[in-house]
Amino acid sequence: EPEVTQTPSHQVTQMGQEVILRCVPISNHLYFYWYRQILGQKVEFLVSFYNNEISEKSEIFDDQFSVERPDGSNFTLKIRSTKLEDSAMYFCASSGIAGGRYEQYFGPGTRLTVT
Amino acid sequence: AQSVTQPDIHITVSEGASLELRCNYSYGATPYLFWYVQSPGQGLQLLLKYFSGDTLVQGIKGFEAEFKRSQSSFNLRKPSVHWSDAAEYFCAVGVDGTASKLTFGTGTRLQVTL
Repeated sequence: EPEVTQTPSHQVTQMGQEVILRCVPISNHLYFYWYRQILGQKVEFLVSFYNNEISEKSEIFDDQFSVERPDGSNFTLKIRSTKLEDSAMYFCASSGIAGGRYEQYFGPGTRLTVT
Repeated sequence: AQSVTQPDIHITVSEGASLELRCNYSYGATPYLFWYVQSPGQGLQLLLKYFSGDTLVQGIKGFEAEFKRSQSSFNLRKPSVHWSDAAEYFCAVGVDGTASKLTFGTGTRLQVTL
């Protein structure tokens, strides 16, 4: 069964450093998303992406964040200058026309620790 | 804006007992409703979804949920819980529109005693 994959599973970085989180969505999906979950809190929407542009973004997704689909398979989230409060689990998700655009499938997540 | 409330933070049930996890949503139109499960250290797995039609939907692992528009609820049920069901359960709502985001509830942690 197709699945969303994410790398790395765990990333430790120092405050102020740039990080790139990578995702490979399900191959025939067209809509891509990033969410985050701070430890012990609920899952929060960051950004959605369709047709090579951002469809919607939350207040959390400020100028420090960016997304990119550099090729036909990868979808990345970049944080330019990490802060302590960026420590969280970051989930990538994708959805496609065949399953209904609202049926989002999530990857296993990348745990980001900012020290 | 849409919102989701899961009033129970933590629920403990005995193995073999029935389960009901509550979810209430707030949204002006017909919502798209989902239940996801998250095992410790794992990602989110889709259990079931409601888009339209029959208000009782079946999902994986023996779970079902019932959409009640009059109560703005989408409660998750299972007739007989297994120890492996211990996990965190999230209710989520999506709305119509392009690349619709999901809004999640705060989750209910299920503990199963043997």
